[in-house]
Amino acid sequence: GAGVSQTPSNKVTEKGKYVELRCDPISGHTALYWYRQSLGQGPEFLIYFQGTGAADDSGLPNDRFFAVRPEGSVSTLKIQRTERGDSAMYLCASSPLRTNTEAFFGQGTRLTVV
Amino acid sequence: AQRVTQPEKLLSVFKGAPVELKCNYSYSGSPELFWYVQYSRQRLQLLLRHISRESIKGFTADLNKGETSFHLKKPFAQEEDSAMYYCAPLGQGGANNLFFGTGTRLTVIP
Repeated sequence: GAGVSQTPSNKVTEKGKYVELRCDPISGHTALYWYRQSLGQGPEFLIYFQGTGAADDSGLPNDRFFAVRPEGSVSTLKIQRTERGDSAMYLCASSPLRTNTEAFFGQGTRLTVV
Repeated sequence: AQRVTQPEKLLSVFKGAPVELKCNYSYSGSPELFWYVQYSRQRLQLLLRHISRESIKGFTADLNKGETSFHLKKPFAQEEDSAMYYCAPLGQGGANNLFFGTGTRLTVIP
């Protein structure tokens, strides 16, 4: 079966531009998570959805970052006015809603802001 | 707030030697802890979770509440164990989000 899919796999953008990163979770998974991983660091939590709503967005670094999941499946992470410091690997994961279950990760989108 | 520390960024052991990857946490309430692993050019994936007390690929991890540790151990390292290992407590307040440590890169020398 298909796992979590993220597109694009690589994105290069110019400073100040707007970008969208897409995540297709495993079918039927209610929970969806976004993480950011900088070089040499562990994944850093950004936002977590239960269904269509953001259950916890405390990890979003500032108001340039926004994420949506309008139909409770596909999610889009949106970054406005990108900065060089936004360059990182962006990871998406999904899981069933029950607690203590495995989170299944996508292969990530590597964002480079030049 | 929860915090996890993995003191070793790099760890090298010889094949067949025991391996221990350290993880210390701070957490209020009952911790829920996981180990995730990322092999070369593969996705991050679950290795084991403390609640199920399972052994996966020969690895075990015991939660020591007194020492606030959740070290990952394997008695005999194999070359295929070379990977990046992350200790991750679950978010508090019933949340399902994970908080990852900085990770330890394990290299098993043939």
